[in-house]
Amino acid sequence: AQSVAQPEDQVNVAEGNPLTVKCTYSVSGNPYLFWYVQYPNRGLQFLLKYITGDNLVKGSYGFEAEFNKSQTSFHLKKPSALVSDSALYFCAVRDMNRDDKIIFGKGTRLHILP
Amino acid sequence: DAGVIQSPRHEVTEMGQEVTLRCKPISGHDYLFWYRQTMMRGLELLIYFNNNVPIDDSGMPEDRFSAKMPNASFSTLKIQPSEPRDSAVYFCASVDSDSGANVLTFGAGSRLTVL
Repeated sequence: AQSVAQPEDQVNVAEGNPLTVKCTYSVSGNPYLFWYVQYPNRGLQFLLKYITGDNLVKGSYGFEAEFNKSQTSFHLKKPSALVSDSALYFCAVRDMNRDDKIIFGKGTRLHILP
Repeated sequence: DAGVIQSPRHEVTEMGQEVTLRCKPISGHDYLFWYRQTMMRGLELLIYFNNNVPIDDSGMPEDRFSAKMPNASFSTLKIQPSEPRDSAVYFCASVDSDSGANVLTFGAGSRLTVL
């Protein structure tokens, strides 16, 4: 069965510093990988995705993520954090070789300290 | 398009009562997912539909939970009878698989409190 792990419940980063939010996954086939962000009292919003092609994908608000097949990871990164990046971040995976379900990790709360 | 529309946004009910949550997906989207968000368990997949047909309901916690999609523009998630541990935010999301984008569009969620 497919699964997603976000090992950190919370990440604290000083404004202006680079940030990383970790994600690892497990699927039997080829993964489709996603990052979503949730602001307070809102639904989830799409940030970026990896389907195929270049392992480094760029998304909204200056975020990027790198697909690493050997480590089964898809970490979210940003070179310089903003206070407005503070939110809850979710990694998700879809195993298109088995079924179409989309599974999410538990989420990582990102705090950017001014 | 107005996006994925969920109702009610907030529901407070007493234990034992029936709760019905509603979702209108984006027109043309062929997949619809129901998720439940809690602090302890994060975002759990409850059930999903493809072209109005339930594909996988293995995430539905108990027989008290049921979901239907009578047509392409409407789905319901029902809890009967409700219990305090059902308190959570319930999200509906839809996706158009034919577009190739595979990106879910989420509704704003229904916050359920069972007293």
